[in-house]
Amino acid sequence: AQSVAQPEDQVNVAEGNPLTVKCTYSVSGNPYLFWYVQYPNRGLQFLLKYITGDNLVKGSYGFEAEFNKSQTSFHLKKPSALVSDSALYFCAVRDNDYKLSFGAGTTVTVRA
Amino acid sequence: EAQVTQNPRYLITVTGKKLTVTCSQNMNHEYMSWYRQDPGLGLRQIYYSMNVEVTDKGDVPEGYKVSRKEKRNFPLILESPSPNQTSLYFCASSLGPSSSPQHFGDGTRLSIL
Repeated sequence: AQSVAQPEDQVNVAEGNPLTVKCTYSVSGNPYLFWYVQYPNRGLQFLLKYITGDNLVKGSYGFEAEFNKSQTSFHLKKPSALVSDSALYFCAVRDNDYKLSFGAGTTVTVRA
Repeated sequence: EAQVTQNPRYLITVTGKKLTVTCSQNMNHEYMSWYRQDPGLGLRQIYYSMNVEVTDKGDVPEGYKVSRKEKRNFPLILESPSPNQTSLYFCASSLGPSSSPQHFGDGTRLSIL
């Protein structure tokens, strides 16, 4: 069975500082990894995905994520956070099954 | 505009009264899915559908039904709602089940009294 862990419920950073949101996963086959963001009263929006290839994946709004197979991690990063990045972030994984498993989510707060 | 539309957005109802949450997508996507979001638990998949007339259980299917008679529609049915089904529900669609990102509706907040 596949699973996703987001070890931090909350991440607080100052605007302009680097932002990292952590994600580790467990799958039986090759992982398909995703990051989504959720703003208040809205559905989830796709940020980026890793399927195969380069371990550093670039996505929307200046976000990127690094796939690390040995550590089974897929951390989300942004070099310089903005106040508008404050939101709820979800990591998700799918393996050879068709089910998609989400982490519990990490609330990011960027203070001005 | 490409979108996934859910209705209603909010519903307060009572235990045992059957309800249906509709979901429609205009992107000709084959794969559709329903999730519930609960604090501290993230999103959990209820049911998914690979194509018309093909549905399968997710991680938390108990108490729910779905149907996929048309490609664009994927309604979620609660035959006899109970208070533990009070939650925020999301419908999503994608081109395929594997590598395609999912497009989400804006959610339906259900309160079962």
